[in-house]
Amino acid sequence: ELKVEQNPLFLSMQEGKNYTIYCNYSTTSDRLYWYRQDPGKSLESLFVLLSNGAVKQEGRLMASLDTKARLSTLHITAAVHDLSATYFCAVAPSGGGADGLTFGKGTHLIIQP
Amino acid sequence: NAGVTQTPKFQVLKTGQSMTLQCAQDMNHEYMSWYRQDPGMGLRLIHYSVGAGITDQGEVPNGYNVSRSTTEDFPLRLLSAAPSQTSVYFCASSYLDRAIFGANVLTFGAGSRLTVL
Repeated sequence: ELKVEQNPLFLSMQEGKNYTIYCNYSTTSDRLYWYRQDPGKSLESLFVLLSNGAVKQEGRLMASLDTKARLSTLHITAAVHDLSATYFCAVAPSGGGADGLTFGKGTHLIIQP
Repeated sequence: NAGVTQTPKFQVLKTGQSMTLQCAQDMNHEYMSWYRQDPGMGLRLIHYSVGAGITDQGEVPNGYNVSRSTTEDFPLRLLSAAPSQTSVYFCASSYLDRAIFGANVLTFGAGSRLTVL
């Protein structure tokens, strides 16, 4: 059974600081996704990571994937208030993906001025 | 394009009542799925479909039924609602994007908030 663990689950940080969210998963997979959810809203796709060593960047967010360690990270550089949201990683089973994703519990990120 | 449309947005039921959450997509996506989101639990897969006429169970299927008679629609039925089914339900559609090596990027609906008393 595929399990996905995120940490931390809650993070309060100040604007301008850097921080990393970690996503560990339990079985082999080569497809990892990051989503963002604003309060009361739906989920929005941020990154798709498809191979070992993959790195994607968008603005102040950078995601990476280490399939050997079964670990993905989401790094926030010089945080701004607009990045406050809940961030989810999700993993597809190896060799597939059409049969749904397994999500982590989410990291609730609050960025204070 | 509307994307993924879920109705209703809010619903209150009494224990034992039945209802259907509707989900429609206009992107001609092959795959559709239902998730429930509970505080501190992330999203959990209820049922999914890889095409019209084909459905399968996810992690938490008990108490829910689905069918997929058309590519566009994937309704979720609660047969006899229980308080444990109080949750926010998200429908998603997707396809395996060959441009990004078959990645299955989900497009989510706005969600349906269900309360069972």
